[in-house]
Amino acid sequence: SQQGEEDPQALSIQEGENATMNCSYKTSINNLQWYRQNSGRGLVHLILIRSNEREKHSGRLRVTLDTSKKSSSLLITASRAADTASYFCATEARMDSSYKLIFGSGTRLLVRP
Amino acid sequence: DTGVSQNPRHKITKRGQNVTFRCDPISEHNRLYWYRQTLGQGPEFLTYFQNEAQLEKSRLLSDRFSAERPKGSFSTLEIQRTEQGDSAMYLCASSLREGPRLYEQYFGPGTRLTVT
Repeated sequence: SQQGEEDPQALSIQEGENATMNCSYKTSINNLQWYRQNSGRGLVHLILIRSNEREKHSGRLRVTLDTSKKSSSLLITASRAADTASYFCATEARMDSSYKLIFGSGTRLLVRP
Repeated sequence: DTGVSQNPRHKITKRGQNVTFRCDPISEHNRLYWYRQTLGQGPEFLTYFQNEAQLEKSRLLSDRFSAERPKGSFSTLEIQRTEQGDSAMYLCASSLREGPRLYEQYFGPGTRLTVT
């Protein structure tokens, strides 16, 4: 079963605008990761935030984590048409020795040129 | 290309047939995972190997499914007596056991299974 929900399920924006996606999860986590999946391609790791971190940046990506609310957000600034993809949050549960990932259902982002 | 590779990329089979998929992880990665992804959903964990040992299996993995990683390198996932509900994308991922990128998983392109 899915760990959490992502919101919105779909998002359509104009190139140059910012895109914000939210993720909620259910259990205590060790870390939370965001992945991107282009149509017909595999999942690509974007960024990881640990449970003791509140915010992290990587290029045009900004991730926040609120463990008290069990939620995270991914902000993509100055979006490009190439950012069109599905974005998934994935959590690694605390004390899970397998380090397996539990994925959300994803947000489908369309960036219009 | 030194990424994770999976073969075949597509498989169409008739209900009741057996199918086998192969995953070749990144060579220095000793952790290997199988996930299943259906349309419009995120991947769901199936099973996990550390080296050649299968250490965890999801309840999603019925007794028709078996996975192996005989020498701690490539892995195979076999589905016996396929059912239409098995139609999905089967993803393989690998990761390191230690180091700064310990928690990142590297995914292959997947094998898309269609059961008719």
